[in-house]
Amino acid sequence: QLQLQESGPGLVKPSETLSLTCSVSYGSISSNSYYWGWIRQPPGKGLEWTGTIYYSGSKYYNPSLKSRVTISVDTSKNQFSLKLSSVTAADTAVYYCARQRGYHFDYWGQGTLVTVSS
Amino acid sequence: QSALTQPPSASGSPGQSVTISCTGTSSDVGGYNYVSWYQQHPGKAPKLMIYEVNKRPSGVPDRFSGSKSGNTASLTVSGLQAEDEADYYCSSYAGSNNCMFGGGTKLTVL
Repeated sequence: QLQLQESGPGLVKPSETLSLTCSVSYGSISSNSYYWGWIRQPPGKGLEWTGTIYYSGSKYYNPSLKSRVTISVDTSKNQFSLKLSSVTAADTAVYYCARQRGYHFDYWGQGTLVTVSS
Repeated sequence: QSALTQPPSASGSPGQSVTISCTGTSSDVGGYNYVSWYQQHPGKAPKLMIYEVNKRPSGVPDRFSGSKSGNTASLTVSGLQAEDEADYYCSSYAGSNNCMFGGGTKLTVL
């Protein structure tokens, strides 16, 4: 059964860069059938697609975050990563990584809460 | 891009059916058959319940069904059970390799 696990700092200072990694187990990130995505959820609010990457490096970002988001993939480690720059309190959220098949997300990590605060 | 529109809440008694709507535009919901639905219990990750408008992943009960008409997609839960109480989110492809989610609907089983 495919497993995804997010990791990274739970606290980031305003104006700094949020960095998270998603480790994929029991499945290859290099499969040509899937993409890999990041979705976030502010406390008490709805889901927001952040971006998606293919193992080859093709990447797609939410237009509202595009200027601040970078997603990368490391096939040797079976991981993909999210960087979000110039964070503010509005970026406080649970960040999920997920496997994307077509245009839906079929496997999700448990999520990790990132708080932006000084 | 604005979020897809869902009612904030829905409710039904055990055994009844409830339908949750998800309204978008011709650029997202109405333009593609790539609507998906997710169930989220408190403190848990979302779970895929429906994809490509009306397809169910393996393991999802057939009490859950999806449909679409024009710019509005719907999720119907038949034979409501206590464990169906959760938040439900729709999602749609929005062109140019973009995805968008709805604001979520809290389903209460009375």
